[in-house]
Amino acid sequence: NAGVTQTPKFRVLKTGQSMTLLCAQDMNHEYMYWYRQDPGMGLRLIHYSVGEGTTAKGEVPDGYNVSRLKKQNFLLGLESAAPSQTSVYFCASSYDPSGGFTDTQYFGPGTRLTVL
Amino acid sequence: AQKITQTQPGMFVQEKEAVTLDCTYDTSDPSYGLFWYKQPSSGEMIFLIYQGSYDQQNATEGRYSLNFQKARKSANLVISASQLGDSAMYFCARSNSNYQLIWGAGTKLIIKP
Repeated sequence: NAGVTQTPKFRVLKTGQSMTLLCAQDMNHEYMYWYRQDPGMGLRLIHYSVGEGTTAKGEVPDGYNVSRLKKQNFLLGLESAAPSQTSVYFCASSYDPSGGFTDTQYFGPGTRLTVL
Repeated sequence: AQKITQTQPGMFVQEKEAVTLDCTYDTSDPSYGLFWYKQPSSGEMIFLIYQGSYDQQNATEGRYSLNFQKARKSANLVISASQLGDSAMYFCARSNSNYQLIWGAGTKLIIKP
């Protein structure tokens, strides 16, 4: 049981390049989230999903897209990276329908992204 | 805006002492959850403790307890018998009706030997 995993752990991009971050969870969780964390700040929600095939915008969605084609995977895409997107990105998941409702979110280890 | 306030940007505590980290929140939701997470220098977010808004008793998990005062909208984390490994950032968060978490800015706790 690996919990929540994220790929890659580190990445350096040039302005204008694109990339996709992959999040995978093996806890049968319905809900998945993408956050960014900037230095000295708490987490800010980018996008989230309440089930396979569904996505919704969070607090800071601009410049990002997401997809949830499979229940266990949640992808975050940057189409044209900008220096302002330099951050640490966290994926999280919550709510196993077979286990009764709990909204506790469990986090992946994070991806450190630098955009030059 | 419905926000989370952590008024202590940083704290120094002597090893083995108890420490209280403050958290207050705004909400108009009738039902919500309150969470504390720990983020050590290695960067991962570690879930510590959860309190439901309708729970009658304060939550406890080992050395962690949550001092929940619903009328005052506060959810302070108490760490008993602090250890050097407790040095980290601590974040308070509240769930909203859309199952999203609203986060505080965090408190940096340093345990002195």
